[in-house]
Amino acid sequence: KAGVTQTPRYLIKTRGQQVTLSCSPISGHRSVSWYQQTPGQGLQFLFEYFSETQRNKGNFPGRFSGRQFSNSRSEMNVSTLELGDSALYLCASSRDNNEKLFFGSGTQLSVL
Amino acid sequence: DQQVKQNSPSLSVQEGRISILNCDYTNSMFDYFLWYKKYPAEGPTFLISISSIKDKNEDGRFTVFLNKSAKHLSLHIVPSQPGDSAVYFCAASVPLISNFGNEKLTFGTGTRLTIIP
Repeated sequence: KAGVTQTPRYLIKTRGQQVTLSCSPISGHRSVSWYQQTPGQGLQFLFEYFSETQRNKGNFPGRFSGRQFSNSRSEMNVSTLELGDSALYLCASSRDNNEKLFFGSGTQLSVL
Repeated sequence: DQQVKQNSPSLSVQEGRISILNCDYTNSMFDYFLWYKKYPAEGPTFLISISSIKDKNEDGRFTVFLNKSAKHLSLHIVPSQPGDSAVYFCAASVPLISNFGNEKLTFGTGTRLTIIP
């Protein structure tokens, strides 16, 4: 069974640009969550999608958005990039009735 | 407001000895706790979990202890091996039925464990 797949693996952008990250969950998993990891901050929750609907949202500005498609694949978008957005963005999937998250390897975003 | 706290950012332990990683939480609604392990350039992987109805769960070299009255849990690794060197995240969740509006898992900031050969 394939794991959670995130693309691209690395991204370099400049301030003011926008970026789209992609996540394919484990087959059969309908819940997809996104986290931001920065040094010293741990994993900060961005949002969770289930059946194409955003079910939960963390405390991030509106520049951070996401969506989920009918096949459970998810994308997150960050507009008007800032230097502080440089981080590892992790996607995780789970069955809805299971708290255990399965993470992808992440997308390392560098904003210059 | 950090609801899950790992106050030790790093820990070094001699190979073969016991590693003890600690985690404190403030939300009394948390009823399920997990430990994740993360190597550089990889996503976190699930290690072990414990429900609030238990005070101990063991899986091979890994044991998690939960003290609900103190809102404290710990992960014990014995014996420690070089491959255990990684960042360990503690995570907690509220009952799914009351999860509306909250993230599925709340993570701590992590503890970097280094096993010295």
